[in-house]
This record gives sequence, C-alpha cells and structure tokens, in this order.
Amino acid sequence: SAVISQKPSRDICQRGTSLTIQCQVDSQVTMMFWYRQQPGQSLTLIATANQGSEATYESGFVIDKFPISRPNLTFSTLTVSNMSPEDSSIYLCSVPNTEAFFGQGTRLTVV
Amino acid sequence: QKEVEQNSGPLSVPEGAIASLNCTYSDRGSQSFFWYRQYSGKSPELIMFIYSNGDKEDGRFTAQLNKASQYVSLLIRDSQPSDSATYLCAVTESQIRRFGAGTRLTVKP
Repeated sequence: SAVISQKPSRDICQRGTSLTIQCQVDSQVTMMFWYRQQPGQSLTLIATANQGSEATYESGFVIDKFPISRPNLTFSTLTVSNMSPEDSSIYLCSVPNTEAFFGQGTRLTVV
Repeated sequence: QKEVEQNSGPLSVPEGAIASLNCTYSDRGSQSFFWYRQYSGKSPELIMFIYSNGDKEDGRFTAQLNKASQYVSLLIRDSQPSDSATYLCAVTESQIRRFGAGTRLTVKP
C-alpha cells in the first residue's frame, strides 16, 4: 500500500500569514484528498485534488483560502491563506487506498 | 447533504466487556465502510473495513454491515484500557471518504 509523507508535522503561525503543507506519496495516485480536523471535531473533506485539473472544493471551502496544487501524480500542496485562530486544526492529506489512507497530519496553531 | 451519523458518547465500558459502536449513513450509493481509531493528538488509524452485508471479524473486532438499514457497527470484545480512544465511522462513495463525528470510548480497568 502507498506510503504518505506529510510536512510540516506541526507549526505555530501568526495570524494573517500563510502556510503551505506538502504531501508526498511513494506511488502514483490519481486522486488525493485534503481533510481538516478542528479541535474536538471529526474530519471534514476540504477538497479533492486531481493531477492536471483544478481541485474540487467541498461546500464551505474556497480556493482563495485553501489553494491546492497537484503538479504530478505523487505530490500535492495545500496552502492555508491569511490565517486566523479559527484555522487552528489538524490538516491531513490522503489517498483512496484501503490501508494507508492518511498521512501523519499537520497540526497547525494560529496565534 | 450526505451524512454519517454516530453517537458522540462518551461510551464507558468495564475492562473485559463488549463495546458496541454504531453508525448510520444517508447515501444509499455508499460502497465501502470503515472504522478508524484515533488517539488524542494522533492521526486516525484504520481498524476494519467492510464491503458486503454481514459480519467481518478480525481478532477482537467485528464489523457488521446492513445496507438495507444503512447501518454499520463495530463490536470490540474483551475491551482493554488501551482501546480507549475515539472511533470514527467512515463511508466511501466514488472514492470520497466521509466521516462521522466519532464516538469516544473509555474502557475502565
């Protein structure tokens, strides 16, 4: 099964700044997903990232706030833009593989 | 809105008992069903997946699926304190995996 590497594992950022999270998969995958888990909440799908096309965003998430890149079949980035304390969450990339669905996550704290 | 519903708990059981976790889903097109365990501060880890109606057993864990009732459950036999965690139900349709809110389980020694 695919191995997913995500970085950074955690970061503390100032409000108003942006953070780019990287996700690397050790095999080629068509679809990659980005999820957010706010404190005490479950996982919410932000968007689906397909290589060679624009990401598809879920209701409540917009490209200006969460721009996504998918330059090839093994890599994607999620940027959290103009951050506020409400963006403090765990961000997880994932691939539709039964065993290794998630990376280790990025724990973001916005101060 | 496609939904996955779980009781948030907390569910508390004594050590050695059977813990029963339940999940319902709204999308009849859902194709596969998953249970994840999440310890505080960690990423979710996959425990079980089930595709077909009926029971699937793996060690102390049994997943049960009833597509007609749109219901999936997880039984944990001989519960251990190390099983104390939040259990997330997830449902996949067209490769998109949607999660319930999770049930917090506490196993008391």
